[in-house]
Amino acid sequence: KNEVEQSPQNLTAQEGEFITINCSYSVGISALHWLQQHPGGGIVSLFMLSSGKKKHGRLIATINIQEKHSSLHITASHPRDSAVYICAVAADSARQLTFGSGTQLTVLP
Amino acid sequence: NAGVTQTPKFQVLKTGQSMTLQCAQDMNHEYMSWYRQDPGMGLRLIHYSVGAGITDQGEVPNGYNVSRSTTEDFPLRLLSAAPSQTSVYFCASSLGQADQPQHFGDGTRLSIL
Repeated sequence: KNEVEQSPQNLTAQEGEFITINCSYSVGISALHWLQQHPGGGIVSLFMLSSGKKKHGRLIATINIQEKHSSLHITASHPRDSAVYICAVAADSARQLTFGSGTQLTVLP
Repeated sequence: NAGVTQTPKFQVLKTGQSMTLQCAQDMNHEYMSWYRQDPGMGLRLIHYSVGAGITDQGEVPNGYNVSRSTTEDFPLRLLSAAPSQTSVYFCASSLGQADQPQHFGDGTRLSIL
């Protein structure tokens, strides 16, 4: 069973700061997902990646397959980025996702 | 485009009652899944389906049943509700399997008294 560890569990930043959230997993995967969950509870997919790097606006996701590690970066953070960020991995069989417990990000104005 | 629609959004049940959580998607996605989210834990897979007529168990299937008679609908049934099933439930769908972008419903907050 794949274990997914996220760090930090909680993160408080000042508006404008560069933020990094980390995700490590234990076995080989076919894809890694970064998700965002706002205080209202809905979950939105931010990125799905299996290699390299993806960028969307101020968000950047990277993955290192050899090291079994991914990072989510937020540049020029803003209070509206405050949310829980969740990492999830699809095993090689791709039938199931295993989720990390999430990182609660609070960006202060 | 409605995406993934879950109903109800909130529900309170008494121990022993049964109910069905509804999930429907209008994106013609083959893969659908049900998760529960509990404080301090990651989402955990209850059941999933890779297409109409095909379902399989996830990590925490006990106390829940599913069926997939159509591509669009994937209801989750609680057979005899227990306080341990108090949770927030999410339905998700994707075009392929877990290595495709996932689309989530807004969740159902369920309390069992």
